[in-house]
Amino acid sequence: GQNIDQPTEMTATEGAIVQINCTYQTSGFNGLFWYQQHAGEAPTFLSYNVLDGLEEKGRFSSFLSRSKGYSYLLLKELQMKDSASYLCAVSFTTSGTYKYIFGTGTRLKVLA
Amino acid sequence: DGGITQSPKYLFRKEGQNVTLSCEQNLNHDAMYWYRQDPGQGLRLIYYSQIVNDFQKGDIAEGYSVSREKKESFPLTVTSAQKNPTAFYLCASRSQGAGQETQYFGPGTRLLVL
Repeated sequence: GQNIDQPTEMTATEGAIVQINCTYQTSGFNGLFWYQQHAGEAPTFLSYNVLDGLEEKGRFSSFLSRSKGYSYLLLKELQMKDSASYLCAVSFTTSGTYKYIFGTGTRLKVLA
Repeated sequence: DGGITQSPKYLFRKEGQNVTLSCEQNLNHDAMYWYRQDPGQGLRLIYYSQIVNDFQKGDIAEGYSVSREKKESFPLTVTSAQKNPTAFYLCASRSQGAGQETQYFGPGTRLLVL
């Protein structure tokens, strides 16, 4: 079956670096997404990894290892506004259809 | 501006009542999705549509129905058969091309039962 795991909650200090891990088990893997979701709002797209390695976008980076079923999101120079839930999601193809499975999200608290 | 709109932002349902949540996109995307989000849980797929006039059940379709008569529109009806409808409902559409794909989400509709 399809499965995604990520930690429920993390806490970090403003200006620090935090790494949010995600492990997954899926067949028909296409790619892995990270989304940011503030309380009461819709998820917003952060990154998409198809190939192994690190993708960097400003303060955010995302890493993927397909052989290990593992990804992480790295947030540098943390700001208070980074306090949010971070969702890991996998795109996979089954019976010719694109579908997605989402983790439960990691709630990040950034402390002053 | 291109994007996905959902209405209303908040919706109240009485016992035994059917309600319909609107989802419209002007991104020219073929694929659209409906998810439900409950506190402490990930997004769960209700229904999806790959193309106009076609849709498929997701993981938790019982008590819901959809239609896809136009490319731009994918409304979701929460029927009286859905016994626990209180949740945050998210509509999404998928873009794909040049080795990239992503889902774009609408702002969501929060449904509450009176």
